[in-house]
Amino acid sequence: GAVVSQHPSRVICKSGTSVKIECRSLDFQATTMFWYRQFPKKSLMLMATSNEGSKATYEQGVEKDKFLINHASLTLSTLTVTSAHPEDSSFYICSARSGSGANVLTFGAGSRLTVL
Amino acid sequence: LAKTTQPISMDSYEGQEVNITCSHNNIATNDYITWYQQFPSQGPRFIIQGYKTKVTNEVASLFIPADRKSSTLSLPRVSLSDTAVYYCLVGDERKTGTASKLTFGTGTRLQVTL
Repeated sequence: GAVVSQHPSRVICKSGTSVKIECRSLDFQATTMFWYRQFPKKSLMLMATSNEGSKATYEQGVEKDKFLINHASLTLSTLTVTSAHPEDSSFYICSARSGSGANVLTFGAGSRLTVL
Repeated sequence: LAKTTQPISMDSYEGQEVNITCSHNNIATNDYITWYQQFPSQGPRFIIQGYKTKVTNEVASLFIPADRKSSTLSLPRVSLSDTAVYYCLVGDERKTGTASKLTFGTGTRLQVTL
């Protein structure tokens, strides 16, 4: 089946540094990927839609300069949290349509970011 | 995008059948209904998808009435390992790019005990 690999699974960084999270579709091409953020015991919140070869589309309230998204190829999208602060600590999850069925999203395992 | 409403939480004993209902009153003609399961600190996992009537796979059944304004996920004989959050989403498969985005509702937190 379709697999989305997300790396790293956990990252701890100091306040003010930038962190990059990678999302790869391993066995299919994904022209569109989605980035979500999830706080403890809360639902997934869509942050942005990553489009291969073009700028990402951000949801209302999401700072595009804080959360840089690059979708340089059909199998890779990256999310960079710039100048991270403790309030950016969260669980970040990416997903992509595998094309195996209507609205079937394949999700990565998630990346837990802790900013000290 | 069709908004979904689910119970916040449900409890069940191991071995019982669990039915989780999702309301989506403004579902569009071309929308499909998809259910996902999420364990703590993991990404959601696809369970089942349907458009109308009944769909069954190896892990669950999905019941959709004729008006499609709701759907029910049925988990037969749950076990402790079925403790998770279950989300229903609706969306149009024909949409591409940004228009194809799916938003998550609150989900239903299922707790299975002995």
